[in-house]
Amino acid sequence: NAGVTQTPKFQVLKTGQSMTLQCAQDMNHNSMYWYRQDPGMGLRLIYYSASEGTTDKGEVPNGYNVSRLNKREFSLRLESAAPSQTSVYFCASSFQGNGEKLFFGSGTQLSVL
Amino acid sequence: SQQGEEDPQALSIQEGENATMNCSYKTSINNLQWYRQNSGRGLVHLILIRSNEREKHSGRLRVTLDTSKKSSSLLITASRAADTASYFCATDAKAAGNKLTFGGGTRVLVKP
Repeated sequence: NAGVTQTPKFQVLKTGQSMTLQCAQDMNHNSMYWYRQDPGMGLRLIYYSASEGTTDKGEVPNGYNVSRLNKREFSLRLESAAPSQTSVYFCASSFQGNGEKLFFGSGTQLSVL
Repeated sequence: SQQGEEDPQALSIQEGENATMNCSYKTSINNLQWYRQNSGRGLVHLILIRSNEREKHSGRLRVTLDTSKKSSSLLITASRAADTASYFCATDAKAAGNKLTFGGGTRVLVKP
């Protein structure tokens, strides 16, 4: 039982490059989320998808786009990476959303030089 | 903006001792959750306490919630080296659109 799978685990980009972080869950969850984690800041919500076909902005959406490809997959795209986007990115899912417990992937450590 | 603020930021104890960490929040909540994060890994859900509950237990974990003080505490009893991790509280509040908001975490080191 894989749970939430994120790829890649590590990535180094140059300023201005683009990339897509992939996330898939096999728990038949309706809601999926992207968070970023910076030292001392806890986790901040970037975007979420309450259900297949819907996406909404979280607390820090600037510089990011998302796609809910199907019920299983939720990708995060950086169109033009900036050093301020250096962070650890986590994908998470929950069955219905609305404050339920989250299941997290193992994270992607991204460095933008 | 961070809804939950953990205290202390870091904690070092000997194996077998109890570890207590606190979480304060700003607005009314539906529930409060605690998560653990081992170094280099994702967060793992530990326990959820609803706003109408005052105390909850799960194994060696005890969580209390005081809605009048807008605070919660997590107690780990008889700590083990494997409890070394960061612990985060997360609140579900209507003001945040019922999306979880995480605090900055408490780093716990349990020395053997």
